[in-house]
Amino acid sequence: RKEVEQDPGPFNVPEGATVAFNCTYSNSASQSFFWYRQDCRKEPKLLMSVYSSGNEDGRFTAQLNRASQYISLLIRDSKLSDSATYLCAVNRNTGNQFYFGTGTSLTVIP
Amino acid sequence: EPEVTQTPSHQVTQMGQEVILRCVPISNHLYFYWYRQILGQKVEFLVSFYNNEISEKSEIFDDQFSVERPDGSNFTLKIRSTKLEDSAMYFCASSQTSVETQYFGPGTRLLVL
Repeated sequence: RKEVEQDPGPFNVPEGATVAFNCTYSNSASQSFFWYRQDCRKEPKLLMSVYSSGNEDGRFTAQLNRASQYISLLIRDSKLSDSATYLCAVNRNTGNQFYFGTGTSLTVIP
Repeated sequence: EPEVTQTPSHQVTQMGQEVILRCVPISNHLYFYWYRQILGQKVEFLVSFYNNEISEKSEIFDDQFSVERPDGSNFTLKIRSTKLEDSAMYFCASSQTSVETQYFGPGTRLLVL
């Protein structure tokens, strides 16, 4: 079973739409969770950390469900500039490598 | 805002040659990492480095690979005797602690011919 799984998409949504991505992780000992954004042929850039209580940053909301072992990312009022691949990353408490999902591709259409 | 830098941005090499990829992590970070991403695939962990030694490595990081922190600022990945399948984007990352956010450099695109 893969450490981290994501629906690769693609998600094609109109401007202004709300879109949600989920990411499941297999190891219950996982400790830290992150969403990264990756533009084509660029490095992953941190979008937000995911805390147990959930957190919000402007149009972006991240949530963690430990019982079901998934994290989610909600994007409200999608902008054209949100078009990118969204990667979830998970870190266990026994090591310091990040396990990345394959990424979910989002295209926001005018 | 401090950032991770990497050189070169692109490297083309012949199969069997050695390459050294260079990284300058964020200055107050203590943990350093190398990842790679083959075109169209996910980001894969290679190795982590802390306190001047490897703290974790993946199955990909075999004897062909080595890392070094030759001075107080640089962190290098050496690939000996490159193979065609080593062609990928190599990202360096750094973090303050082992569980906090890892910040990625812009990557080195390696092409092995």
